Amino acid sequence: DAGVTQSPTHLIKTRGQQVTLRCSPKSGHDTVSWYQQALGQGPQFIFQYYEEEERQRGNFPDRFSGHQFPNYSSELNVNALLLGDSALYLCASSLEAGQGGSEKLFFGSGTQLSVL
Amino acid sequence: QQQVKQSPQSLIVQKGGISIINCAYENTAFDYFPWYQQFPGKGPALLIAIRPDVSEKKEGRFTISFNKSAKQFSLHIMDSQPGDSATYFCAASRWDDKIIFGKGTRLHILP
Repeated sequence: DAGVTQSPTHLIKTRGQQVTLRCSPKSGHDTVSWYQQALGQGPQFIFQYYEEEERQRGNFPDRFSGHQFPNYSSELNVNALLLGDSALYLCASSLEAGQGGSEKLFFGSGTQLSVL
Repeated sequence: QQQVKQSPQSLIVQKGGISIINCAYENTAFDYFPWYQQFPGKGPALLIAIRPDVSEKKEGRFTISFNKSAKQFSLHIMDSQPGDSATYFCAASRWDDKIIFGKGTRLHILP
């Protein structure tokens, strides 16, 4: 049973560019959350997707957007990259948003994004 | 506003000792308090969690102590081992809301 998989593992971009990160949730999970983890910090909530809709959003600008597909996989898009966007981007999946099940998060290993 | 405050930032413990990490929260609506463990190059993994209706939960060498009146909770690792060396995050959430993480504690167990 595969866990949460993320791609790519590492990515280098320059300021102003756009990036797309991908996530496949754990088998059987229907909810995907995205977190940003800066070096030496805890994960910061970006947004959560359930039934292909953004269900919750953290304090991130509109440059951060996402999508969930019918197979529950998800993408995170960041436009107009800034140096401060350099971080580890974590995808977490869970079960049954709206039923309390979204508490038990299973994280992928993340995508390390470097913006030069 | 930091809703979950974690201390210490780093901790060094001798093998076989007790590691203690503390967290304080502000929002009394929080009703779920997990601890996550993260190794370098990996995502966080759920270690143990507690709800405010109990004051303590134990799973193997890991124990959460919860003080609702003080809005504090802590993780105790008994008989700490070198393999426990990792970064630990406390977190909190309301029912079905986003999970908010502390800034983390880097734990190093001396062999």
